[in-house]
Amino acid sequence: SQQGEEDPQALSIQEGENATMNCSYKTSINNLQWYRQNSGRGLVHLILIRSNEREKHSGRLRVTLDTSKKSSSLLITASRAADTASYFCATDAGNTGFQKLVFGTGTRLLVSP
Amino acid sequence: DVKVTQSSRYLVKRTGEKVFLECVQDMDHENMFWYRQDPGLGLRLIYFSYDVKMKEKGDIPEGYSVSREKKERFSLILESASTNQTSMYLCASSLRDRGDTDTQYFGPGTRLTVL
Repeated sequence: SQQGEEDPQALSIQEGENATMNCSYKTSINNLQWYRQNSGRGLVHLILIRSNEREKHSGRLRVTLDTSKKSSSLLITASRAADTASYFCATDAGNTGFQKLVFGTGTRLLVSP
Repeated sequence: DVKVTQSSRYLVKRTGEKVFLECVQDMDHENMFWYRQDPGLGLRLIYFSYDVKMKEKGDIPEGYSVSREKKERFSLILESASTNQTSMYLCASSLRDRGDTDTQYFGPGTRLTVL
């Protein structure tokens, strides 16, 4: 079952522009994570935000979390061609204790030079 | 840095063959996971393991089995490969944090084609 749903499914921007991706989820969470996947490769962890946090920054990344709306957004500022990838949100979905993550279907970001 | 390796990047097998996909991590992580990734469906959890010889079914375990004889190694087995198991297979590992669900570290993936 899909816990996280990303929006939009695809996003195309120019270098230097900002990219915003959104994630909605269904059940209560302890934390939400964002991952990046370059074409045909494994996923790489970007950032984790806990349920008691509202905003977190890491370099050019800014993540917000609104637990009342069950949603999160990932903002990439001053995008570069190297940011071209798919981005996934993942939640722990109120785990039974086995520490699984449930991933969304991802947003494909294309940054053109 | 955590390193998760998978035995093959690309694999082509025939229907009915037994297929082994191996995953090794070098950071002494307790948790290990196998996912498959298909276009439009995202990542779906097949099986996971939170300790040696322990395994739990994920969302789509049918047609798969796993083995974890050593802490660093988690194998995914397709007992009799079928064409609908053509997919990208991703292995991941994480620490077993008592209080929180930790970051997962992924291998590069194995693209399996079943003919």
